[in-house]
This record gives sequence, structure tokens and C-alpha cells, in this order.
Amino acid sequence: QVQLVESGGTLAEPGGSLTLSCAASGFTFHIYHMAWVRQAPGEGLEWLSYISGDENDKIYADSVRGRFTIARDNARKSLFLQLSSLRAEDTAVYYCMRGGVEGGWDYWGQGTLVTVSS
Amino acid sequence: QSALTQPASVSGSPGQSITISCTGTYSDVGKYNLVSWYQQYPGKAPRLIFYGVGNRPSGVSNRFSGSKSGNTASLTISGLQPEDEADYFCCSFTHSSTYVFGTGTKVTVL
Repeated sequence: QVQLVESGGTLAEPGGSLTLSCAASGFTFHIYHMAWVRQAPGEGLEWLSYISGDENDKIYADSVRGRFTIARDNARKSLFLQLSSLRAEDTAVYYCMRGGVEGGWDYWGQGTLVTVSS
Repeated sequence: QSALTQPASVSGSPGQSITISCTGTYSDVGKYNLVSWYQQYPGKAPRLIFYGVGNRPSGVSNRFSGSKSGNTASLTISGLQPEDEADYFCCSFTHSSTYVFGTGTKVTVL
């Protein structure tokens, strides 16, 4: 069955960097586009970034463009999100998602918590 | 890109029907038939429950249905049940090739 498992969430200092990972299994990873979203405590969902299956297209939300970098390793069936210049407002649960058809994100991971605090 | 606008809360009694609205602009909801809806229980990841034009993922109750008129999409839950009590989010593709989520709606079953 399709599984997405995020990891890498931790307590980080303002101005710091970290990389989140999402391990995929149960489907042909390289043919699906993938994305990251986040949810701050008690808040709604914020779409962050998308990457096409062949890695040629990478799109970012205005709020994170230039600070976050999305990448994937199709051989390892893994998705990544590099976060840099961290701010307190980056504190959130970060989810990876698989892109389905007609705009639906059909599978989500369980999320990984990033806390930015000194 | 501003979040799509949803009512903060909607409530109904068991068996009733409720509708959650999701208002955007012509640059997102109005231009594309690429609106999706998600259900989220506290402490859990969101789950896709409706997408595109009339599509429901396998395993999702047919009590959930979606529609769109102009810049507003809607999710209707028919025959409301206690397990429908959750948060609901809409999401739309945008003219910038990004996606934007709605502000979220808390559904309460009275």
C-alpha cells in the first residue's frame, strides 16, 4: 500500500537550517509529482512547494521561495525539503503529499514537527 | 497568494445536510476545475475526500459531494453523522502554478 513517512523534524535555532525527508513506498515514485505543505500549531494548511516526477519543474510559494529548496531522489524513492534562514514562524508540522489527478493530493504522510526557537 | 475563504465553523444535527463554501478569485477557483477537499481529525494528517469535477476517492462516503459556481467551490455533507465532526480544507490550483488552501472549517455535529 502507498506509504509516505516524513523524518528530520527537530528543534532548530533561528537562522539555522535543516533538511526534511519523505520516504515513499508502495507506488512507482518517479511518475508522480510530490509536494510539501505545513500546518502551524492550531492553524490551517499552507502549501509550500511542488516538484515534478522528472525533477524538471519546481514551484514554490512566495512565502518560502529563496529559503526552502525541494528535491527528490527517484532511485531512493525519497523527497526532500531543505529549510534555511529559519524563523519562529516556520514552526509547524510539515507534511509530504503525493499528487493525484485533477488537483487532488491523494496520499499524505503523518507529518514531522519543526520547532524554531532559541 | 491569499488563502481561500471558508467559514470558520458550520454545524448541523445528525441526518441533516450542511454545505461548506470556499471562495477564491478568478485566478484560482474560478479559472480551474482543480479544487480539492480534505478532512482532518485532530492530531491526524488530512485526507483527500473530493477533487476535480465530481470525483471521490475510493473508500470515501458518497455523502460527500462537491460543486463550483464562479469563484466559489462548495462541499456538501449529506446525512450528517457523528464521525463527520472534523476540520475541512479546500485547495485550488492557481494561475501562478502554485496551490492555495482555504482557511479551514470546523464541522460540529450537534
